[in-house]
Amino acid sequence: GAVVSQHPSRVICKSGTSVKIECRSLDFQATTMFWYRQFPKQSLMLMATSNEGSKATYEQGVEKDKFLINHASLTLSTLTVTSAHPEDSSFYICSASGGTSDSYEQYFGPGTRLTVT
Amino acid sequence: RKEVEQDPGPFNVPEGATVAFNCTYSNSASQSFFWYRQDCRKEPKLLMSVYSSGNEDGRFTAQLNRASQYISLLIRDSKLSDSATYLCVVSASKIIFGSGTRLSIRP
Repeated sequence: GAVVSQHPSRVICKSGTSVKIECRSLDFQATTMFWYRQFPKQSLMLMATSNEGSKATYEQGVEKDKFLINHASLTLSTLTVTSAHPEDSSFYICSASGGTSDSYEQYFGPGTRLTVT
Repeated sequence: RKEVEQDPGPFNVPEGATVAFNCTYSNSASQSFFWYRQDCRKEPKLLMSVYSSGNEDGRFTAQLNRASQYISLLIRDSKLSDSATYLCVVSASKIIFGSGTRLSIRP
């Protein structure tokens, strides 16, 4: 299957700082990338959907000014958690799809575990 | 009612057993269905797509029942390595993950 990488895999930051997470599709062009958050023992929750070259579409309740998403190329999307707080500590997972935003299989990155102290 | 519902389990079955679980969805306009497997503290991995005609991949069989709005996953001859959380994914206007069913296979 297609390969999606994420970097960093783990990050610990202090409250108030910003953290950038990169998501790359290594062997295919990802027209759509998704960002998810998963709290312990809970399901994946979609945060936003981004299509290359356009603004991300955020899910209800997700602050677009706090979670900045950039999808500047067909192989790279970034999520920046600005002014992070302890409640932002979570497992952030990106996925990439080569098809339309709702009908194609998604390939997931390995995730980034964020801990805000 | 949740848009996608799964029995959280855990299902605890002996090695070699057959186990099945369902996932119900509320949006009749849903078009795409998938089963993902997620190991503890890892990302989900696609297990199989679910087609209208049903599909089988080795020990795994997935079926779709549009009339009753559910998908199912059947695992035959279960192995210890099948222990994981199984997430169903339903896609209509957006993609929605179920909360997962935990499966534990005991020796």
